[in-house]
Formats: sequence, structure tokens, C-alpha cells
Amino acid sequence: QVQLVESGGGVVQPGRSLRLSCAASGFTFSPWRMHWVRQAPDKGLEWVSLISSDGSNEYSADSVQGRFTISRDNSKNTLYLQMNSLRPEDTAVYYCARELDGFDIWGQGTMVTVSS
Amino acid sequence: QAGLTQPPSVSKDLRQTATLTCTGNNNNVGNQGAAWLQQHQGHPPKLLSYRNNNRPSGISERFSASRSGNTASLTITGLRPEDEADYYCSAWDISLSAWVFGGGTRLTVL
Repeated sequence: QVQLVESGGGVVQPGRSLRLSCAASGFTFSPWRMHWVRQAPDKGLEWVSLISSDGSNEYSADSVQGRFTISRDNSKNTLYLQMNSLRPEDTAVYYCARELDGFDIWGQGTMVTVSS
Repeated sequence: QAGLTQPPSVSKDLRQTATLTCTGNNNNVGNQGAAWLQQHQGHPPKLLSYRNNNRPSGISERFSASRSGNTASLTITGLRPEDEADYYCSAWDISLSAWVFGGGTRLTVL
């Protein structure tokens, strides 16, 4: 079935780095814009980053600009989020999502905790 | 980045109708429309309505979306206990080149 599975979350100290992955299956990955969206504990949804279908265009929220980088490998049906200079306020569940006029497919999320 | 405005909470009786609102501006909701998501505690969000107000396959006809100017609305008819959840609107902002979310509305079905 159509599925997105995130991995790579964990506990990390402030200032360190982490790379998240999102494996897609059950659909043709390459034509779709893909996103990362996060949700801090007991908070609302926050859009993080978007990448175009061929990876040529990327957009990111001001809160992560210059620290997070979104990328994709269409040959591996995988989306990535490289997170550098992590801060305590980056603590959240990170979801990958497929987009067509709305986020129609979501993964289960991976938890990232930034704490010393 | 400025988000969309949603009321924090709405309470309605079983079998009644709830209308949730989402207010943006000419750069997001007014220009591109808004998509709606439902999220139950501990689960990922689920898309209820695309930006063009169409429902994805499998979404009940009890959920309908509309837009008037810079305000989008989600109407849920015949409220059921399982409709109790958090509801988020989202839109692409052409000025920010970013997606923006509303803060979410917690719907309580009494």
C-alpha cells in the first residue's frame, strides 16, 4: 500500500547534527513534491521544508533556514532532512508528507529530542 | 512566518453541525485556497480536503470545505464521537514561498 516511513530520529545534544530519512513505497515517488512537517510536544503542526519532484527547487521555513537541508534520491525513493546546529526548540515529531494541493500522504513520524 | 488563524476550540453536540474557520490573507488562503487536516491524538494528520475544496477518496461526505475571500471553512455535519479531534488548515503563501498552518482547532463532541 501507499506508505511513507521515517527513520533517523533520536536524542541529540544542542549544536549537533542528525539526518532523517523517509522511505516511500506503494507509489511512484519521483513525480511528487515532498515535505517535512514537524510537531512539537502538545503543539500544532509547523511546516519545515519542501523539495520539488526533481530536487531542483527547495524552500524552508525561516526557523530552520541555513541549518536544515532537504534532499531526495528518486532512484532510492527516499527523502532526507539534514539537520545541523540543532536547538532545544527543534524538539518535535518530524513527519514526511506527499503533496498535491494538500498533504495527502503522511508517515508515522520520527521523534527528535534536542537536549543536553 | 505568520500562520493562519483558527479558533482554539469548538464544542458541539452529537449529531449537530460544526463549522470551523481559518483566516489568512490575500497571499495564502485568498489566493491559493486552504487544505484541511484532521489529527487524532497520537496519530499523524489525515487530509480531509484539498485546496480546491475537493475531498480525497475515502473521506466522508459529512466533511465539506469552502472559501469566502480570505477565510476558509470546514463544515462537519451529523457529528459523531469519532469526529472529536484537532483540525488544521494549511495554505501555500505566495509572498513567503512557504506553506503555513493554522494553530489548530480542537473539536469536542458533547
